[in-house]
Amino acid sequence: QKEVEQNSGPLSVPEGAIASLNCTYSDRVSQSFFWYRQYSGKSPELIMSIYSNGDKEDGRFTAQLNKASQYVSLLIRDSQPSDSATYLCAVKDSGAGSYQLTFGKGTKLSVIP
Amino acid sequence: DTEVTQTPKHLVMGMTNKKSLKCEQHMGHRAMYWYKQKAKKPPELMFVYSYEKLSINESVPSRFSPECPNSSLLNLHLHALQPEDSALYLCASSHRDGGSYGYTFGSGTRLTVV
Repeated sequence: QKEVEQNSGPLSVPEGAIASLNCTYSDRVSQSFFWYRQYSGKSPELIMSIYSNGDKEDGRFTAQLNKASQYVSLLIRDSQPSDSATYLCAVKDSGAGSYQLTFGKGTKLSVIP
Repeated sequence: DTEVTQTPKHLVMGMTNKKSLKCEQHMGHRAMYWYKQKAKKPPELMFVYSYEKLSINESVPSRFSPECPNSSLLNLHLHALQPEDSALYLCASSHRDGGSYGYTFGSGTRLTVV
């Protein structure tokens, strides 16, 4: 049974600070990793994907992957109140026919003005 | 077109009703998914269609019946639902193996069973 673990929060950070969201996964064959942002009552929105060890940056977002430690994180720099949402970590196996994303339970982030 | 369109956005139905949820995408994705999401929980996979064929059914009760008429459309037929089936129903699509793009989710249908 694959497991994806996230701290449910809430994680509160002041506006302008760095928010750090963490995720661990149990299945070593997991190959693709995704971060989704979900506002209350809305659908998940893909904000970052990462496949290789190291960092991947996109604007204010940086995803970090360490496959040896089975750990993936999301950093949000210069946090804004509009970043307040639940962040879902998702992992997927590689290979043909492997479609299923396994989601963590999500971390609720609150950015305080 | 980079969207997944779901209709209706809201649906209230009685336990004896029959209704359908619809999902459409024109991104050329050949994998489509139905997820169910309860409040404060992550999305829970229900069905996966690959090239219009059902490839995964996560032990979903038969009162939920999926259908994929063509590569752009996905339906979820509902019959004799229970109040505990009230949830946000999400459709998603992806390239065949999810690839580098993950899933694109629709805006969801908020279902209330009374």
